[in-house]
Amino acid sequence: DIQMTQSPSSLSASVGDRVTITCRASQSISSYLNWYQQKPGKAPKLLIYAASSLQSGVPSRFSGSGSGTDFTLTISSLQPEDFATYYCQQSYSTLGVTFGQGTRLEIK
Amino acid sequence: EVQLVESGGGLVQPGGSLRLSCAASGFTFSSYEMNWVRQAPGKGLEWVSYISSSGSTIYYADSVKGRFTISRDNAKNSLYLQMNSLRAEDTAVYYCAREYCTNGVCYDYWGQGTLVTVSS
Repeated sequence: DIQMTQSPSSLSASVGDRVTITCRASQSISSYLNWYQQKPGKAPKLLIYAASSLQSGVPSRFSGSGSGTDFTLTISSLQPEDFATYYCQQSYSTLGVTFGQGTRLEIK
Repeated sequence: EVQLVESGGGLVQPGGSLRLSCAASGFTFSSYEMNWVRQAPGKGLEWVSYISSSGSTIYYADSVKGRFTISRDNAKNSLYLQMNSLRAEDTAVYYCAREYCTNGVCYDYWGQGTLVTVSS
């Protein structure tokens, strides 16, 4: 299986901050990388697909970049509703998509 | 509006069985590949199983292979997961999720989840 490692595991930030979350794959996955946001007690929500494509309806303050093994999710100016847990997910290996362990974004 | 509504979760003893259902509405269910993804309490997301739009192609995670069976009824707009020989480590919230991306695999709509607890 392809292992996905996110960093940091948790992060404290303030409203208005610029935040970057990193996801590293154990092997090259081209651009087969997606990002999800999950709030407590809720299902995950697709934010970014194919490493850098913004899902419909997602605010433009969210952006994704990277290819190969290293990827980033950036939130340009944190809003109160952005405090959540974020997961990356690879789909290079379609017979076994895998997720990162999650990054919990908390209010400072 | 796209909706996915899971049901069938509950408390079951180790070695027992449970059948989860996912009722779909607001889209042409028969045109979409579907998946089950689970999340153990306080843990991350784990893909469980995939089924093609026609039901002819099916995949499972190694952790559930031989114990779980995914199926669908396109006439009823429903997805199912039959879970047998349940173990404590199968305790999780189970989500059904619709596949979206044409280049790779991503999930654009998820149900609210149904909790399965395996305990004696």
